[in-house]
Order: sequence, then C-alpha cells, then structure tokens
Amino acid sequence: EAQVTQNPRYLITVTGKKLTVTCSQNMNHEYMSWYRQDPGLGLRQIYYSMNVEVTDKGDVPEGYKVSRKEKRNFPLILESPSPNQTSLYFCASSPLQVSPASSNSPLHFGNGTRLTVT
Amino acid sequence: SQQGEEDPQALSIQEGENATMNCSYKTSINNLQWYRQNSGRGLVHLILIRSNEREKHSGRLRVTLDTSKKSSSLLITASRAADTASYFCATGPREGFGQGTELSVKP
Repeated sequence: EAQVTQNPRYLITVTGKKLTVTCSQNMNHEYMSWYRQDPGLGLRQIYYSMNVEVTDKGDVPEGYKVSRKEKRNFPLILESPSPNQTSLYFCASSPLQVSPASSNSPLHFGNGTRLTVT
Repeated sequence: SQQGEEDPQALSIQEGENATMNCSYKTSINNLQWYRQNSGRGLVHLILIRSNEREKHSGRLRVTLDTSKKSSSLLITASRAADTASYFCATGPREGFGQGTELSVKP
C-alpha cells in the first residue's frame, strides 16, 4: 500500500532532550516536506527536500534539522526541543514535476506526530 | 510562504445541504488543489484543477477556478455527516496551507 509513515504517533519529552521523528515513504517520491500545525496558524512548512541530499528551509525552520540520505526517508530532528515546539507535525511527499519546475503534484501526508515538550 | 487562504473559517450546515468554501491566493499558479483533514489526521488530497480549467467535478465535489480573481471555490453537494472535516486549498508543494475551513455537518 502506498503510504507515508511517521513515527512515533505521540511523543512527550522534556526541554533540551534531543529527539527524532521519522518519516518514510514507499512511493519513490522525490519531494518530501515537514509541516507543523498549530491552532490559528494553519500548516506551516518547516523544511523540504527536492531529492536525496537536497534540503531547504521552509517558513519556520528555526530549532529543526533534517537530512535526506536516502530517497525514502526524511527524518525531522529537534536537537534541543523547547515548549514552543509543542505541535502536531506532518510529513508529506509527492513526485516532483520536472517541467514546469514550479508545478506540483498532490501531496501524500502521514498521519501526524503529536509532540509535547514540557 | 503561505498562498491559499480559505473562507469562511467555520461552516455549519444540516445533512443534505450544500457546502461552499472559498480560497484566495496571491500569485500566478499552475494548478490549485483541495485537501481534506479529519480531526488530527493527515491531509488527504481531494481534487486538482489546472490553471487552464474553470470547473472540475469529482463525485459530489465541484471545484471552480477564476484566475482573474485569484480565487477558487469548493462545493460539496448533498452533504453528509461524514463530510465533517477541515478543508484546505494549496497552490504548490512549497507553499504553506491556510487555516482551512472547518465544516460541520449535523445529522
């Protein structure tokens, strides 16, 4: 089954304790992205990746890191989590249209990771 | 950067009624997509309309696009309680999403 898998589904941690949220897709998609969703703020993009070893900042990258060593995986790393990073996080992927470069295919979303930082 | 903005923020209707949601965006687009989110879950793609299309149908969904006004609408006909969800529009994978329209369909 084609899917985007995020783990864990729920995570409670303390300030400063490094954590990683994993994201994996089995659709051979080039494009992957992380979002956070907060009440009243919609979904905001954290980081995205156009392909292996190609990552770029979204709108709210501060406090986050990502890596794209393999096409299927795009982990989100919080080196030193803080309470303002308490949020609902989503990973998404899509095939990347080569032409036009700005075109877009539908995004496939994971089921989310609810993170609480105390 | 955020492109699409949905309106209204919340909509409450009775089962069987039609629901209309609107989306406005800022810059030129290749296509526009609508997504649905059930409470706390990931977004699910509903329908994509290309910039050279004016209207598109999929089951009970009807989407229109007016590029001159930079706006789109999503119509759900004969709504059901199961349509209760938040609905978002998006104009590109590198664009953010707005706050969505929270639709509540009462049985």
